Amino acid sequence: KNQVEQSPQSLIILEGKNCTLQCNYTVSPFSNLRWYKQDTGRGPVSLTIMTFSENTKSNGRYTATLDADTKQSSLHITASQLSDSASYICVVIRNTGGFKTIFGAGTRLFVKA
Amino acid sequence: NAGVTQTPKFQVLKTGQSMTLQCAQDMNHEYMSWYRQDPGMGLRLIHYSVGAGITDQGEVPNGYNVSRSTTEDFPLRLLSAAPSQTSVYFCASSYSAGPSSYNEQFFGPGTRLTVL
Repeated sequence: KNQVEQSPQSLIILEGKNCTLQCNYTVSPFSNLRWYKQDTGRGPVSLTIMTFSENTKSNGRYTATLDADTKQSSLHITASQLSDSASYICVVIRNTGGFKTIFGAGTRLFVKA
Repeated sequence: NAGVTQTPKFQVLKTGQSMTLQCAQDMNHEYMSWYRQDPGMGLRLIHYSVGAGITDQGEVPNGYNVSRSTTEDFPLRLLSAAPSQTSVYFCASSYSAGPSSYNEQFFGPGTRLTVL
């Protein structure tokens, strides 16, 4: 079954600290993996997109990694800020000749002052 | 560019009522889709369109209708609202429907719907 599992469900960290969010997937055939940030009351916004051949992609303080062999990805946030408080969603695209998107349930991050 | 816009932002319906959620994009994107987001679950695809005049069902289409008469607009109609349709609805668009690695998907701000 094509699934995307994220951990932890929620996370609380202090401002300035680093954190890593995990994404495991069983989606096949794999096309690409995306991380989105969703602020409360807003739609998801793309952070990174990685293909099979890319094992790391950065966007400012956000760095995503991908291990296509173990079907795992992580999102590392460096020097967290209060504005990083949001849900982070891992999304895997299936390449079936059509456009099939599998969403994870997200990790809710709270950054405290 | 306004990107993807959705109206209304909030809506309360009674069971059995019908309504239309509006979605528009000004990026000339071919692919548009509707998702619902429920607590503890990933977004689920309701309906999608690969271009004007072409629509298809997603993962959870029952109770919803769509049409695509123009490239810009993709309204979602609830035929007879049920409490199980209480959710947050997101419209999204992208340049094309292909699984291209850089075919970024843009989401609207969402409509929070409550059915009593």
